[in-house]
Amino acid sequence: SQKIEQNSEALNIQEGKTATLTCNYTNYSPAYLQWYRQDPGRGPVFLLLIRENEKEKRKERLKVTFDTTLKQSLFHITASQPADSATYLCALAPTGGFKTIFGAGTRLFVKA
Amino acid sequence: GAVVSQHPSRVICKSGTSVKIECRSLDFQATTMFWYRQFPKQSLMLMATSNEGSKATYEQGVEKDKFLINHASLTLSTLTVTSAHPEDSSFYICSASPGQGDTDTQYFGPGTRLTVL
Repeated sequence: SQKIEQNSEALNIQEGKTATLTCNYTNYSPAYLQWYRQDPGRGPVFLLLIRENEKEKRKERLKVTFDTTLKQSLFHITASQPADSATYLCALAPTGGFKTIFGAGTRLFVKA
Repeated sequence: GAVVSQHPSRVICKSGTSVKIECRSLDFQATTMFWYRQFPKQSLMLMATSNEGSKATYEQGVEKDKFLINHASLTLSTLTVTSAHPEDSSFYICSASPGQGDTDTQYFGPGTRLTVL
């Protein structure tokens, strides 16, 4: 069955460092992959979308890579700040389809 | 742009009662709206996909008679949890998509915390 794996353990890093979060998937051929941020008790907020034919996408301090051979996406936050502390979800959508599947998310804590 | 609201944000009800949750796209027309349920520390689980003017498509294991969805207009979808029980307590989140282009970037509402006593 289709499966999306994100590290369930929280990631703790020091302010100013680069945070790297991982999303792995199996039994799936996504047309594109998205990353969302979710704060406690709130709905997810869209951050970035990367297509299957793109290797890397950047937006300000955020960078996403997408390796369809490894079936993996990496999400980087450079110069991290305490305000970046949140849960980050990856989501996959299939070719030609509309249904998006979400990972359980990784909690990031950035210490001042 | 692309703001989605939900109402109420929090509701507590007695077992056996029905609860209605509204989802509105404030500044765009949503061809499609989605309803999700999220339990603590778990991923969003899609419950149903709602298209304006047609019946919702429910995911496997979701009872359509218990979770009534009405997508009355391009900016409003409602989810009614009928005869709610404590196990229905969860965080319900809607999302809306303009449905244009080849991606389905979804814009999420702030969520509704339902507690059934």
